[in-house]
Amino acid sequence: AQTVTQSQPEMSVQEAETVTLSCTYDTSENNYYLFWYKQPPSRQMILVIRQEAYKQQNATENRFSVNFQKAAKSFSLKISDSQLGDTAMYFCAFMKQWTGGTSYGKLTFGQGTILTVHP
Amino acid sequence: EAQVTQNPRYLITVTGKKLTVTCSQNMNHEYMSWYRQDPGLGLRQIYYSMNVEVTDKGDVPEGYKVSRKEKRNFPLILESPSPNQTSLYFCASSLRTGRTEAFFGQGTRLTVV
Repeated sequence: AQTVTQSQPEMSVQEAETVTLSCTYDTSENNYYLFWYKQPPSRQMILVIRQEAYKQQNATENRFSVNFQKAAKSFSLKISDSQLGDTAMYFCAFMKQWTGGTSYGKLTFGQGTILTVHP
Repeated sequence: EAQVTQNPRYLITVTGKKLTVTCSQNMNHEYMSWYRQDPGLGLRQIYYSMNVEVTDKGDVPEGYKVSRKEKRNFPLILESPSPNQTSLYFCASSLRTGRTEAFFGQGTRLTVV
């Protein structure tokens, strides 16, 4: 079974600064995906960024980037030029890649990190 | 617009009164699942379905039922709700391969009194 741990229950950052959210995971799988989801006060779950484990290059999406360390099983999210709209709960999640058979699609989530961006 | 539609968004009910939360997706996704979100625990999977008529238990299935009679719909049924099922519920769908990220419904805040 997989586990995902987010050790920072809450973080805060000043507008325009950079913040890094931590995530570690444990798995015996070799092929998988990692995600960061954002949950603003509206409760909607919004995909921020996606990483395939077989890719060595770290994923980036505009102001969002990850530091994926497969050997260390670490997957941190860096938010640059923080904006007030980035205030939200952030979830790290793991999904096993389908390689045949019947097991796929399940997301295992961390506990979440509440990020507050201050003006 | 590609989306997962979940209803209702808010629901207050009494212990033991059967209820159904509906979920529908328009993306032809094979995989659908239900999660519950509780403070400090993140989201945990309740039930999932890999295709029509194929469903199975997730990590916290007790007290819930599901069905998948059509590919687009995946309702969650609480036949006798109890206060410990008070939670925020999400339906999600995804593809098996390719772009596998899950798309989520808007969430249902359920309170059982």
